[in-house]
Amino acid sequence: DAKTTQPTSMDCAEGRAANLPCNHSTISGNEYVYWYRQIHSQGPQYIIHGLKNNETNEMASLIITEDRKSSTLILPHATLRDTAVYYCIVLNYGGSQGNLIFGKGTKLSVKP
Amino acid sequence: DVKVTQSSRYLVKRTGEKVFLECVQDMDHENMFWYRQDPGLGLRLIYFSYDVKMKEKGDIPEGYSVSREKKERFSLILESASTNQTSMYLCASSAFGQTRGQPQHFGDGTRLSIL
Repeated sequence: DAKTTQPTSMDCAEGRAANLPCNHSTISGNEYVYWYRQIHSQGPQYIIHGLKNNETNEMASLIITEDRKSSTLILPHATLRDTAVYYCIVLNYGGSQGNLIFGKGTKLSVKP
Repeated sequence: DVKVTQSSRYLVKRTGEKVFLECVQDMDHENMFWYRQDPGLGLRLIYFSYDVKMKEKGDIPEGYSVSREKKERFSLILESASTNQTSMYLCASSAFGQTRGQPQHFGDGTRLSIL
């Protein structure tokens, strides 16, 4: 499975959009991009995933570049409760049976 | 919404005890997983199951076993607990779907301490 690179930490003002980047330059054609987040002492929470088209759900938007080598997770109006570690994962078989390997992720701090 | 429920949030057991961790999902998912999460080591897959009575070893199965007698329930068993099994244990489930990239959904975790 392809490796991902994310910034270690980011800050965002409450109410503003949080844009979290992820590089996955070795992604292959049948690998999906998944985003999870984890708030301290809780289980990881699934956010969104995509293959090549941009995706949006009630939590976030996922923008995947045309060459699929990078993506951006967008939280449109960040709140204090969005403070968490965000993980970008690339996985074959769509992850339904795959082994999720979380890297170090991006620690997002949303500030008032 | 997908609901994955782990039986305990916190558990304290003694060395040598047999420990059962239970996980139930309510979405009729075919796949279920057990991971452990440790600081600096990330998530590590212990076992997974893609059907009732089926199980597959993950990366670190030693010292653990699993049971899946019903589709909705996946149990992790520590045969003889040791202090190096102190960890956060996470259960996940997903629908079978290679073509649509079905995500895994996690429970809140069980923080297990072995004394």
